[in-house]
Amino acid sequence: RKEVEQDPGPFNVPEGATVAFNCTYSNSASQSFFWYRQDCRKEPKLLMSVYSSGNEDGRFTAQLNRASQYISLLIRDSKLSDSATYLCVVNIRPGYSSASKIIFGSGTRLSIRP
Amino acid sequence: NAGVTQTPKFRVLKTGQSMTLLCAQDMNHEYMYWYRQDPGMGLRLIHYSVGEGTTAKGEVPDGYNVSRLKKQNFLLGLESAAPSQTSVYFCASSWDRASGGNYEQYFGPGTRLTVT
Repeated sequence: RKEVEQDPGPFNVPEGATVAFNCTYSNSASQSFFWYRQDCRKEPKLLMSVYSSGNEDGRFTAQLNRASQYISLLIRDSKLSDSATYLCVVNIRPGYSSASKIIFGSGTRLSIRP
Repeated sequence: NAGVTQTPKFRVLKTGQSMTLLCAQDMNHEYMYWYRQDPGMGLRLIHYSVGEGTTAKGEVPDGYNVSRLKKQNFLLGLESAAPSQTSVYFCASSWDRASGGNYEQYFGPGTRLTVT
């Protein structure tokens, strides 16, 4: 089983729709969580960090459920410019003296159509 | 503040040739990483470093070597390139010890390498 799993998609939705992605992680030592966005042939860029209380940034809302070990990303009123691959990222720190390990999911492709 | 930069941006090698990719960051980050990304696939960690003078193997280290002689630079070497190493290589850095932070990674623009 992969440490971080995402639905690869593609998700193809009309402009203005609401779309949600989920990501599950298997290591309970996971401490920090992020969503990244990657455009075609470009580098991944941080979209938002994910906090236990949930956090919102404009049209984007991220949630963390530690009990069920998943994080989610909700995009409201989707725009054409939201078309990209969304990467779920988990930072694992096995122990206090251990270096943290960052695991990337394989990404979910989103395509917004006019 | 340039963030993370990578050189070169593109390179074509013949099988058996060697080359070094350079990554530089100006954010005073402790951690640096080299990833490769193949078409339609996720990022795979090649090597990483948790501080100046230290390196460690990632998920796919074979055929690559790295060095971190200066905190701001992380070099990735291919001693004898093979067609299987055709890929896009991304460098990333994270964590400023002084300001703390959440270990989010910042990426360079990538190097597109083709081995014929």
